[in-house]
Amino acid sequence: DTGVSQNPRHKITKRGQNVTFRCDPISEHNRLYWYRQTLGQGPEFLTYFQNEAQLEKSRLLSDRFSAERPKGSFSTLEIQRTEQGDSAMYLCASSLKTGWAETQYFGPGTRLLVL
Amino acid sequence: AQKVTQAQTEISVVEKEDVTLDCVYETRDTTYYLFWYKQPPSGELVFLIRRNSFDEQNEISGRYSWNFQKSTSSFNFTITASQVVDSAVYFCALSEARGNTGKLIFGQGTTLQVKP
Repeated sequence: DTGVSQNPRHKITKRGQNVTFRCDPISEHNRLYWYRQTLGQGPEFLTYFQNEAQLEKSRLLSDRFSAERPKGSFSTLEIQRTEQGDSAMYLCASSLKTGWAETQYFGPGTRLLVL
Repeated sequence: AQKVTQAQTEISVVEKEDVTLDCVYETRDTTYYLFWYKQPPSGELVFLIRRNSFDEQNEISGRYSWNFQKSTSSFNFTITASQVVDSAVYFCALSEARGNTGKLIFGQGTTLQVKP
């Protein structure tokens, strides 16, 4: 059973450019989460999907951010017109939601540096 | 409001010492879940344990043990006979059952350094 994978692992871009990250969850996991982690801080929730439906977005997710999960499989997170403040580690997690409880399993993250 | 506080920013111990990582949480929900994750230098968050709010029984897994006390809103993590491989950042997290969203609220993390 493969874990959560994320690509690319590292991305360096110039301010104003668009970037897209991909997350492949554990197969058969119906929920997929995106978090952002800055240096010295804990991860912060951005958004999540149940199957293909995006059910919640954090206020942290500005209009420049968009996420999709077509067909309820992999997910992409796009940042348009990147700013230096977007520099962070972007983490993806997946879970199998059955009943009340669920456990999220995280991928290795994509580290973004905006110059 | 939901909040998780890990007051210890960094802890340094010598190998074979026992160490306890503190976690205090705030929630108005009566049903919630608490988690511990380990983040080694590679960056990937590794799941360690999940506890639900109705189960205050302490748990032991090898050298790891967890002490959940609802009366003090704490969920502390103890590593017995620490090893160099335990060096990592450890995060405590909270998830509320209300709203059926599983989003995790993380503390700021405790960096544990185990010296040989």
